[in-house]
Amino acid sequence: DAKTTQPNSMESNEEEPVHLPCNHSTISGTDYIHWYRQLPSQGPEYVIHGLTSNVNNRMASLAIAEDRKSSTLILHRATLRDAAVYYCILNGGATNKLIFGTGTLLAVQP
Amino acid sequence: NAGVTQTPKFRVLKTGQSMTLLCAQDMNHEYMYWYRQDPGMGLRLIHYSVGEGTTAKGEVPDGYNVSRLKKQNFLLGLESAAPSQTSVYFCASSYPDRGHEKLFFGSGTQLSVL
Repeated sequence: DAKTTQPNSMESNEEEPVHLPCNHSTISGTDYIHWYRQLPSQGPEYVIHGLTSNVNNRMASLAIAEDRKSSTLILHRATLRDAAVYYCILNGGATNKLIFGTGTLLAVQP
Repeated sequence: NAGVTQTPKFRVLKTGQSMTLLCAQDMNHEYMYWYRQDPGMGLRLIHYSVGEGTTAKGEVPDGYNVSRLKKQNFLLGLESAAPSQTSVYFCASSYPDRGHEKLFFGSGTQLSVL
């Protein structure tokens, strides 16, 4: 099963951009790259996903490397409410293969 | 629109007791999932269901049973609770969409087994 690797933790300052990296060197051609985040004491929530092209939505941007072996979640202006654990997962359409690793704990300093 | 609702939110059990966690979704989703989350670990899939009347094992199914008698409900049962089952349990649901599935999660159930 394709796995992802993320840094355990990152820090950012409020109102600055944040780039959260994810490595997925064994990704297959049909795997979509998904990002979720988990705020303290809550369940995870969907952030964004993509296959090959970069994607933007109201929450974040997703930059996908040309070889698809890595991706970066970009928060354009971090706020204190963005402090959370961010998970990068691969979704190839197999229901039982949605593996959430330990994610990246993002701390945002005022 | 409630989304995914889990009951109860907190529960304390003694070793050997049984209980059922209820997950209800009002989004007409076909797929439903049960995950557990332990400190310092990610979410691990326990069981999942791709439709009413169907269930399947996930990554860590031992010690748990599930049922999906109605499309909107997914029950997780512990027949004989063990301290190793102390965890936070999350239910999720989604539409089937070949890689595009967006999972909607409940707020979790904190279970302690003494």
